[in-house]
Amino acid sequence: DSGVTQTPKHLITATGQRVTLRCSPRSGDLSVYWYQQSLDQGLQFLIQYYNGEERAKGNILERFSAQQFPDLHSELNLSSLELGDSALYFCASSPHTNHKSTDTQYFGPGTRLTVL
Amino acid sequence: TQLLEQSPQFLSIQEGENLTVYCNSSSVFSSLQWYRQEPGEGPVLLVTVVTGGEVKKLKRLTFQFGDARKDSSLHITAAQPGDTGLYLCGSSNTGKLIFGQGTTLQVKP
Repeated sequence: DSGVTQTPKHLITATGQRVTLRCSPRSGDLSVYWYQQSLDQGLQFLIQYYNGEERAKGNILERFSAQQFPDLHSELNLSSLELGDSALYFCASSPHTNHKSTDTQYFGPGTRLTVL
Repeated sequence: TQLLEQSPQFLSIQEGENLTVYCNSSSVFSSLQWYRQEPGEGPVLLVTVVTGGEVKKLKRLTFQFGDARKDSSLHITAAQPGDTGLYLCGSSNTGKLIFGQGTTLQVKP
């Protein structure tokens, strides 16, 4: 158990819909990262938040957005869903901002999103 | 953008065999991390290598960082069914952790 929790574990929805994925980081960790894992693209970094502020951005679509709340939990919002958005979505947390590239990221169990 | 290439993509071996997984980049790594992911779970960090030429051992797993810090390898000795999983190399660049496509390892009893 990494100490990172994600809900829900599974989500099935239809194209065009909007969903929200939730992540609670490890106690004391200030940074939260979101990743998307699909069979064809592998594990892709989406976005990072540090202490409530956006810190780094990766291959995140404009239809996707995220935020980190004062209690440090984070939500990833996916809208106008398409079939290709079906994937595993992982949240990870680390103590710092990862300016030191050796900072360990602890991954949650993921949310499996299926868009029908 | 740094790209990480892993090989092989798939590996199916018998229990007791040895294997090596490779991770290569055209750019120099500041550091490199190896993760293992089991089905239904998130990746778990195995090791971080930082110094060119560095070798780290974790029980039957040996991790090596190339002298030029552009390649790394993971060697498993006497593989066991419990080693089955997806092995990912990742490198962090200003907060973005970039992963290779992964090597799916199946160890048959």
